Amino acid sequence: SQQGEEDPQALSIQEGENATMNCSYKTSINNLQWYRQNSGRGLVHLILIRSNEREKHSGRLRVTLDTSKKSSSLLITASRAADTASYFCATDARGSGNTGKLIFGQGTTLQVKP
Amino acid sequence: DAGVTQSPTHLIKTRGQHVTLRCSPISGHKSVSWYQQVLGQGPQFIFQYYEKEERGRGNFPDRFSARQFPNYSSELNVNALLLGDSALYLCASSPLGGNEQFFGPGTRLTVL
Repeated sequence: SQQGEEDPQALSIQEGENATMNCSYKTSINNLQWYRQNSGRGLVHLILIRSNEREKHSGRLRVTLDTSKKSSSLLITASRAADTASYFCATDARGSGNTGKLIFGQGTTLQVKP
Repeated sequence: DAGVTQSPTHLIKTRGQHVTLRCSPISGHKSVSWYQQVLGQGPQFIFQYYEKEERGRGNFPDRFSARQFPNYSSELNVNALLLGDSALYLCASSPLGGNEQFFGPGTRLTVL
């Protein structure tokens, strides 16, 4: 079963605009990760934020985590056409015993128009 | 360095058949995980293997099985295929103690 929901399901913006997508989850976590997937192929790891962190930056990416609300957001600034992809959040559940089990959301499909 | 590789890229089977999917992890990675991604959904965890032992199993029927070889490559086997098994099957590897998983390009399985 999916861990939670991502919002919005689809997002269409113009190049240069910022894109924000949100993720909610259900259980206590060790960390939360964001992945990108192009055209139904393999996933690419973008950023990881640990449960004791509130905000993290990587290039044009900014991730926030609110463990009290069990939610996270991914902000992509100054978007480019190449950012067009599906974006997934994935949680590593606390107590999972390092089983390598990531629980993914349903994803947000981002389209960046040139 | 080579990333995670999977074979075959595409596969078409009919109901009731058996399929074997293969995965080679990044050199030095000893953990391999398998995920199923149905069209329009996020990936769902099937198995994790570490040091040739099963370390985690998702909510999949016994028709799904896997194994890991001494060189840390892995196979996912699915018996008695159903139409609902049509999906993209993703393999991911990770280093010891690592949280980030490195995904292969996937095998797209179509069951007719």
